[in-house]
Amino acid sequence: QVQLVQSGAEVKKPGASVKVSCKASGYTFTSYGISWVRQAPGQGLEWMGWISAYNGNTNYAQKLQGRVTMTTDTSTSTAYMELRSLRSDDTAVYYCARGPPTDYWGQGTLVTVSS
Amino acid sequence: DIQMTQSPSSLSASVGDRVTITCQASQDISNYLNWYQQKPGKAPKLLIYDASNLETGVPSRFSGSGSGTDFTFTISSLQPEDIATYYCQQYDNLLTFGQGTRLEIK
Repeated sequence: QVQLVQSGAEVKKPGASVKVSCKASGYTFTSYGISWVRQAPGQGLEWMGWISAYNGNTNYAQKLQGRVTMTTDTSTSTAYMELRSLRSDDTAVYYCARGPPTDYWGQGTLVTVSS
Repeated sequence: DIQMTQSPSSLSASVGDRVTITCQASQDISNYLNWYQQKPGKAPKLLIYDASNLETGVPSRFSGSGSGTDFTFTISSLQPEDIATYYCQQYDNLLTFGQGTRLEIK
């Protein structure tokens, strides 16, 4: 069965970076892209960007351009999302999802940014 | 960017009621629209894909319709376990989510 398993919760100080991993199983990794979505506490879902697991092409949300990098390691079927220059309003649960269309989702990774 | 306008933002209904949520796209997205259910502390769950197709294992009381810019999500007979927040999502051009509809039991 398709599974996306994300890395554990992180606590970071403002200005630091965080890298979240998303390990895929149960399907051919390079046949689908991986999307990243975040959800601030009590808020809605915000699309962050997408990476093709086939060729590494990316598309990032404009508001995150310059601070976010998405990569994949096809040898381990793992996708990564790195966010730099963290601010308090980056505190959120970060999800990876297969696609679009985003049919399978990881369990989420809570990233807390606090001094 | 494509904007998705979802309404209402919250909804209170009784068990057995018919519930309807709408989503309007800022431009034609054909049928590239999904509906998700999210319960507290959980990842979103895909219910309806391509505007009107029921995901495997999802109860038939859930349905979706529409194409172009106007879409509707319906629960034909509300059950207690349907209490959640529901989101529409377009994937015609990148991804955009609606603002969400919080569904409560009256």
